[in-house]
Amino acid sequence: DAKTTQPPSMDCAEGRAANLPCNHSTISGNEYVYWYRQIHSQGPQYIIHGLKNNETNEMASLIITEDRKSSTLILPHATLRDTAVYYCIVLSTGTASKLTFGTGTRLQVTL
Amino acid sequence: DTEVTQTPKHLVMGMTNKKSLKCEQHMGHRAMYWYKQKAKKPPELMFVYSYEKLSINESVPSRFSPECPNSSLLNLHLHALQPEDSALYLCASSQDIRVIGANVLTFGAGSRLTVL
Repeated sequence: DAKTTQPPSMDCAEGRAANLPCNHSTISGNEYVYWYRQIHSQGPQYIIHGLKNNETNEMASLIITEDRKSSTLILPHATLRDTAVYYCIVLSTGTASKLTFGTGTRLQVTL
Repeated sequence: DTEVTQTPKHLVMGMTNKKSLKCEQHMGHRAMYWYKQKAKKPPELMFVYSYEKLSINESVPSRFSPECPNSSLLNLHLHALQPEDSALYLCASSQDIRVIGANVLTFGAGSRLTVL
């Protein structure tokens, strides 16, 4: 699976959009981008995933660049409850079972 | 029911004890997972079961023994652990590891283990 690079930490004001970047320059054509988050002392929570097209659900939007070498997770109106570690994971169709977490981005949402 | 339930939430054990962690899901998922998470580190995959059969063992020491008695239950038997095994143990389930591009994992809240 392709490796990912994320900034170790980010801050965001409550009510503003949080844009979390992820670099996956070695991604292959059959590899998906998944995002999970982990709020302190809880299990990880699935957010969104995509292959080529941008995706949106009730939690977030995922923007994948045309060359697929990077992506951005957007939380449109961050709240204090969005404070968490956000993990960007690249998963190939052949190894769907091996969800491997990197170090992630610690997002701190402040008043 | 869209939850993965783990028991106990907290466990303290000595190095000579035998204990078990339990995980249960009623979402009809056929894949179940154990992860280990040390403080301030990301979760690390330990085991994967698919259709009640062990599919992946990430070279985990034999003092950790997984068991999947049926499609809803996953156990992790612990014996002769070391203090460095103290961690948060997370269970997860997913629909089917063979589902391409949509194998979303649902995690439990974890069992926090302390080995004295």
